[in-house]
Amino acid sequence: DQQVKQNSPSLSVQEGRISILNCDYTNSMFDYFLWYKKYPAEGPTFLISISSIKDKNEDGRFTVFLNKSAKHLSLHIVPSQPGDSAVYFCAASEVSWRGGTSYGKLTFGQGTILTVHP
Amino acid sequence: NAGVTQTPKFRVLKTGQSMTLLCAQDMNHEYMYWYRQDPGMGLRLIHYSVGEGTTAKGEVPDGYNVSRLKKQNFLLGLESAAPSQTSVYFCASSYSRLAGKSDTQYFGPGTRLTVL
Repeated sequence: DQQVKQNSPSLSVQEGRISILNCDYTNSMFDYFLWYKKYPAEGPTFLISISSIKDKNEDGRFTVFLNKSAKHLSLHIVPSQPGDSAVYFCAASEVSWRGGTSYGKLTFGQGTILTVHP
Repeated sequence: NAGVTQTPKFRVLKTGQSMTLLCAQDMNHEYMYWYRQDPGMGLRLIHYSVGEGTTAKGEVPDGYNVSRLKKQNFLLGLESAAPSQTSVYFCASSYSRLAGKSDTQYFGPGTRLTVL
């Protein structure tokens, strides 16, 4: 079962307009959410995050919204730029205990390919 | 400050061959992870480590072994490679949530492995 889903494999947007990437989750134990951006042949780069106690976090052109009742997360990019064209992964974290130790286990969505046209 | 580095960047193996992927981080992170990324499947956790000398299985551990002899290094081994292990492998590291830090993981550039 996929606990984190990005239902749109791709999104195409005009430069200067808003890009909205969506993510749904099913596990109510997730308490921290992140967005990563990935260019071809590079590793994922951390973009922005939000704790489950908040419903919005902003960083420059990027804003993440969290709707806990709907178990829905979205990333808004405004204005969109051609350099934003990449694959965007949402990820959700929960504390996982194994053998007496804990860590923040990340579960990733499948990714959304964003293309911003000049 | 190089962050997370991985070697090699590319590798082609024949079925049954073995190899080791090396990950190094210079951020003094306690936790390190190995993921694989396959088309349409996001990133899946293979193994992880919460400290020097400790490792644990992730979501897809079969066919892989790991070791964390030094805090800054995390090795991923394939003892007998199979075509199903053709993938892009990413290493990541993070602080400990118990230390009051966030769960943000920082990724290396990846190793593209092809098993023929």
